[in-house]
Amino acid sequence: DVKVTQSSRYLVKRTGEKVFLECVQDMDHENMFWYRQDPGLGLRLIYFSYDVKMKEKGDIPEGYSVSREKKERFSLILESASTNQTSMYLCASSPNLHAGPNYGYTFGSGTRLTVV
Amino acid sequence: AQTVTQSQPEMSVQEAETVTLSCTYDTSESNYYLFWYKQPPSRQMILVIRQEAYKQQNATENRFSVNFQKAAKSFSLKISDSQLGDTAMYFCAFIGQGGKLIFGQGTELSVKP
Repeated sequence: DVKVTQSSRYLVKRTGEKVFLECVQDMDHENMFWYRQDPGLGLRLIYFSYDVKMKEKGDIPEGYSVSREKKERFSLILESASTNQTSMYLCASSPNLHAGPNYGYTFGSGTRLTVV
Repeated sequence: AQTVTQSQPEMSVQEAETVTLSCTYDTSESNYYLFWYKQPPSRQMILVIRQEAYKQQNATENRFSVNFQKAAKSFSLKISDSQLGDTAMYFCAFIGQGGKLIFGQGTELSVKP
């Protein structure tokens, strides 16, 4: 069974801490995505990556960075966590973009991050 | 820019009845795909149904069907014979040539016994 695994289900961090959210997929997918989910706002794209060492900003990249050193792993980094980054974070992956937009996304189970 | 709008934050339905969730979208592209995802309390996003824009026939998956109105940019989800396990957050989503999945705000559906 194909999987996208997020390392933590719940996380509590202090304001100002550097936070790493890890995501690993075992499907050899080229594309990986980080979304933030908030009530009433749906899922908003933070960053995405179409290849190793490649990254592109999504709709709300401020306060975040990403790292993709290996194809299967895509990390979201909060350089200095703030309370307004308290949210649910979802990772997803999909096959090569050039396969056409009919490909499906596979999602992880989410990390609920609380910044205090 | 593409946008997806779900105007019903919450809905409820009695078990065994039918419910329709609304979704509208905006795009200038002609070739795209639309999806409905279900997110139960477990948080795992589950693909419910997908529709290809160039296909006029509405997609169906068992108890789930869509009403796709391309000219009106409308994509509603009908759930027939609602079951308690259908209780979840439902997201409408769009993907175009850019390859990024764009979500609506979500509709929280409660199925009552």
